[in-house]
Amino acid sequence: AQSVTQPDARVTVSEGASLQLRCKYSYSGTPYLFWYVQYPRQGLQLLLKYYSGDPVVQGVNGFEAEFIKSNSSFHLRKASVHWSDSAVYFCAVSNYAQGLTFGLGTRVSVFP
Amino acid sequence: EAAVTQSPRNKVTVTGGNVTLSCRQTNSHNYMYWYRQDTGHGLRLIHYSYGAGNLQIGDVPDGYKATRTTQEDFFLLLELASPSQTSLYFCASSDFIQDTQYFGPGTRLLVL
Repeated sequence: AQSVTQPDARVTVSEGASLQLRCKYSYSGTPYLFWYVQYPRQGLQLLLKYYSGDPVVQGVNGFEAEFIKSNSSFHLRKASVHWSDSAVYFCAVSNYAQGLTFGLGTRVSVFP
Repeated sequence: EAAVTQSPRNKVTVTGGNVTLSCRQTNSHNYMYWYRQDTGHGLRLIHYSYGAGNLQIGDVPDGYKATRTTQEDFFLLLELASPSQTSLYFCASSDFIQDTQYFGPGTRLLVL
């Protein structure tokens, strides 16, 4: 069975600082990996996804993630956060049989 | 832009009540999903479908029925609602099971 671990339930960061959100997955094959964001009172929106190829993928709003197969990780990064990046971020893994499995999410609070 | 709509956005019912949550997608996607989101549990898959008339059991199906009447419409039924079903419910759609899922805005259900 596949699973996703997001070890940080909450992250607080100052506006303009860099951000890294950690994600580790468990899956025996080559996974499809996703990062979603959930703003207050909204549904989940796709930030970026990785299927194959370049392990560093670019997403919306300046986010990027790096797939490191040897470490089973898919960490999300942003060089300089804005107050509007305050949200909950979900990492997810999928395969042909099971569809998406989500981590529990990391709540990001950006302070001025 | 993928579009998934849900109705109602908010619902209050009493224990033992009958509730139907509706979801419509205009993406011509094959797959549709129902999730519930609860603090500490993230998103959990209730049921999903790969086409009209099809239903697949998810990870937390107890107490829920679902029906896919058309490619566009997917309904979640709670025939004897219980307080443990108080939650935020999301519908999503995707073209393939391993592919990006597009989420609706959610329905907040309160069972008194």
